[in-house]
Amino acid sequence: DIQMTQSPSSLSASLGDTVTITCRASQTITSYLHWYQQKPGKAPNLLIYAASSLQSGVPSRFSGSGSGTDFTLTISSLQPEDFASYYCQQSYSTPRTFGQGTNLEIK
Amino acid sequence: QVQLQESGPGLVKPSETLSLTCTVSGGSISGYYWSWIRQPAGKGLEWIGRVHTSGTTNYNPSLKSRVTMSVDRSKNQFSLNLSSVTVADTAVYYCARDSNGWRNYDYWGQGTLVTVSS
Repeated sequence: DIQMTQSPSSLSASLGDTVTITCRASQTITSYLHWYQQKPGKAPNLLIYAASSLQSGVPSRFSGSGSGTDFTLTISSLQPEDFASYYCQQSYSTPRTFGQGTNLEIK
Repeated sequence: QVQLQESGPGLVKPSETLSLTCTVSGGSISGYYWSWIRQPAGKGLEWIGRVHTSGTTNYNPSLKSRVTMSVDRSKNQFSLNLSSVTVADTAVYYCARDSNGWRNYDYWGQGTLVTVSS
C-alpha cells in the first residue's frame, strides 16, 4: 500500500493568512494526488485534482503543487469558510489511500 | 448534476452483515467506477473498495475477506456488503464516484452512520 503522510495534523491561523499543508507519498505517485476539504457532518469536497488542477467552482485562493512524492496545498487569504479539515488522496494504485488529515482552526 | 444517496440500516449487530445501497441520480451509472469510503467518528478516511458497472471490483486488502460489492444498472444503484462486523466497523459510510481520467472522487453521497452494537 502507498502510505500518505500529511503535515501538520493541526494548524491554527488567522483570517487573511496564507497556509500550506504538505503531503508525502511513500513511493512515487506522479501527479495522481488530490485534495479534499471536509466540514463537520459533511462529505469531503474535491478542491484540487491531479496535484495542481483546480476543481470547477473552487475559489482560486486554493492551489496545489508537486509531483512524484511531495505535494503541497496552499490556501491564501484565509476566509471564514476555509476553517475545516483537509485530506490528500492518491489514485496511483489500489488500495486508494488518504492522508490522516489536517484540521485548520481559527487562531 | 449527479447526486448520490446512501441507504440502509443504521444499526447492525456484531457478527452480522452490514448492507448499504447507493442510488445515483442525475446521470447514468454506466462507464464509471463507484466507491465506498468510511470514516470512524473523529478519524480519517478509509477506502473500502470500488465496483465498475462492468462488474469489475477492487477491494482494500484489509477488508477483502469480508467485502462484496455489486452494481444494478437497471436501478442506477450499487451496493456494499460487509460481513462479520465488529464495533470497529462503526463509521460513517460514504459512496462516491471515481472520475474517469485522474480517478479522484468528484461526487459523494452525504454519508450514512452505521453503528455496530448489540
